Amino acid sequence: DTAVSQTPKYLVTQMGNDKSIKCEQNLGHDTMYWYKQDSKKFLKIMFSYNNKELIINETVPNRFSPKSPDKAHLNLHINSLELGDSAVYFCASSHLAGGNEQFFGPGTRLTVL
Amino acid sequence: AQSVTQLGSHVSVSEGALVLLRCNYSSSVPPYLFWYVQYPNQGLQLLLKYTSAATLVKGINGFEAEFKKSETSFHLTKPSAHMSDAAEYFCAVSEGDKIIFGKGTRLHILP
Repeated sequence: DTAVSQTPKYLVTQMGNDKSIKCEQNLGHDTMYWYKQDSKKFLKIMFSYNNKELIINETVPNRFSPKSPDKAHLNLHINSLELGDSAVYFCASSHLAGGNEQFFGPGTRLTVL
Repeated sequence: AQSVTQLGSHVSVSEGALVLLRCNYSSSVPPYLFWYVQYPNQGLQLLLKYTSAATLVKGINGFEAEFKKSETSFHLTKPSAHMSDAAEYFCAVSEGDKIIFGKGTRLHILP
């Protein structure tokens, strides 16, 4: 009955590799998000999709590419991983409207060696 | 642009004591405001939200927050802290299609 799920939970990889994180929500929401949380717990939005269309794209390196095959899924692909990409990545979903709660996944801890 | 400022990156209270976590917002329009909690190794969970109805908002786990427009504040309180309240707390404001989070306050509960 998980509302927002992410896989994998942990990801350890070498610099220069390409990796993907998957996210799925079963809440019927039309909007999904990716956030990056750094080691100081600072949470910053990266991308947002509404009904499979990109609506928010913060200043994120183009090595990061989100893909939304349908409105229940938003995957994050990262090319040429760098040490600074190490963080916890959270997926979230909501209905698109001001004041609506975002529901968060459990996070994916990415460690780049 | 909207923003929130959380005063104190760490707050320690004794078990049974009052919890007060401070948040001030910057907004040019009536804001939507949130408090989220993050327990260790978990995602964020909504505690409560303000959407221009009652200024005193009650949330889960005994938490509440009061919206004070004159002070641009939305402080989070709980009358009596419990050990299980130890977590990271985020104040946030809605800006268009996105939510802007504060830097978080780590709440420590002392036995």
